[in-house]
Amino acid sequence: DAGVIQSPRHEVTEMGQEVTLRCKPISGHDYLFWYRQTMMRGLELLIYFNNNVPIDDSGMPEDRFSAKMPNASFSTLKIQPSEPRDSAVYFCASSLDSRKSGTGAANTGELFFGEGSRLTVL
Amino acid sequence: AQSVTQPDIHITVSEGASLELRCNYSYGATPYLFWYVQSPGQGLQLLLKYFSGDTLVQGIKGFEAEFKRSQSSFNLRKPSVHWSDAAEYFCAVGPSGGYQKVTFGTGTKLQVIP
Repeated sequence: DAGVIQSPRHEVTEMGQEVTLRCKPISGHDYLFWYRQTMMRGLELLIYFNNNVPIDDSGMPEDRFSAKMPNASFSTLKIQPSEPRDSAVYFCASSLDSRKSGTGAANTGELFFGEGSRLTVL
Repeated sequence: AQSVTQPDIHITVSEGASLELRCNYSYGATPYLFWYVQSPGQGLQLLLKYFSGDTLVQGIKGFEAEFKRSQSSFNLRKPSVHWSDAAEYFCAVGPSGGYQKVTFGTGTKLQVIP
């Protein structure tokens, strides 16, 4: 089975440019998360969706960041305009709502991560 | 607010030696606890998780962790480390009844020497 797929794996851009990161979650998963990882701040939750609806975006750093999930199989994280301090690895993760599937607590809580998108803003 | 502390930023062990990575959490109720591993250039992979029941949890790759409520700890252990275990390890806590807003620790980087 395909895991969480992210693109691009690497992106180098100049300050001020628009950046779009893409994510395809695991089919059937109900939750999608965007995380950012840096040396200084570790792994930060930016936003998460449930059934394509944004639930909590309190981790989004500022208005330059936006995320969408137009359907169950696709999400984007956009940065416009980008700044050097946005340089980081951005991870997408998805998860299954075990309460919905009835599979029980054994499946609750596991996040499936993509391989990440490494963004460098010059 | 929930939080996780991993006091060791970097640990070096010899291959074949035992390993214990420390994790302390702060949460008002019974938490969901996780350990994830991240190999270089990769995403995080779940090693094990605790929700309830037996406080000693077995995971993949020979890892185990013990939940100690009195110490607010969830330390990760492995009796004999292999060179392939070199990676970064993250402890995480989430609210019981749901896994949204999982909070990750800052990670412990494990180096394995021959």
